[in-house]
Amino acid sequence: GAVVSQHPSRVICKSGTSVKIECRSLDFQATTMFWYRQFPKQSLMLMATSNEGSKATYEQGVEKDKFLINHASLTLSTLTVTSAHPEDSSFYICSARFGRNNEQFFGPGTRLTVL
Amino acid sequence: SQELEQSPQSLIVQEGKNLTINCTSSKTLYGLYWYKQKYGEGLIFLMMLQKGGEEKSHEKITAKLDEKKQQSSLHITASQPSHAGIYLCGADRTGTASKLTFGTGTRLQVTL
Repeated sequence: GAVVSQHPSRVICKSGTSVKIECRSLDFQATTMFWYRQFPKQSLMLMATSNEGSKATYEQGVEKDKFLINHASLTLSTLTVTSAHPEDSSFYICSARFGRNNEQFFGPGTRLTVL
Repeated sequence: SQELEQSPQSLIVQEGKNLTINCTSSKTLYGLYWYKQKYGEGLIFLMMLQKGGEEKSHEKITAKLDEKKQQSSLHITASQPSHAGIYLCGADRTGTASKLTFGTGTRLQVTL
């Protein structure tokens, strides 16, 4: 149990385009999912908390209009990077809480490269 | 300053040797998570510690949380090449198991 998937695993896009990344909980329901960003050889930074049926909560310094989050169902959250630029290139990882102690289980990540 | 410090930053050990990775917080934690990450991949959940003095083991990996709940160690016994990767500690500062703050990571290499 507690498997989280992400799609796509890799995406390359041109500057100015928008990219959507999906995060799914495969065998459990997740009312809350989290989106992290990781730069090369650096740790994970929480971007936002995605809440099913309500607006996402963004961390300080994260642009809401740049990184659109939609949590339309109990098993799916999406992160859309709008008008992507090369500086948005990064590794994006989602997670979902599961279990009695609310452990966070992570997806395999999505590597975004903006040309 | 970094709220969650990990040491060492990198480690190279010979197969079969034991090793310890440390994670130190400047503030008391509600919970401490250990994850393993291979480059370019997601995080694999290893263990979660919540109580002061708690110790958990899984196969050859043991994690401890000190009584003050500010320091944790991850100990690997008889390391194997499969243990290679990046080990990250994550801190729960709110008690809600959300908003995990991660350490800088420890890159482990296991040589034959």
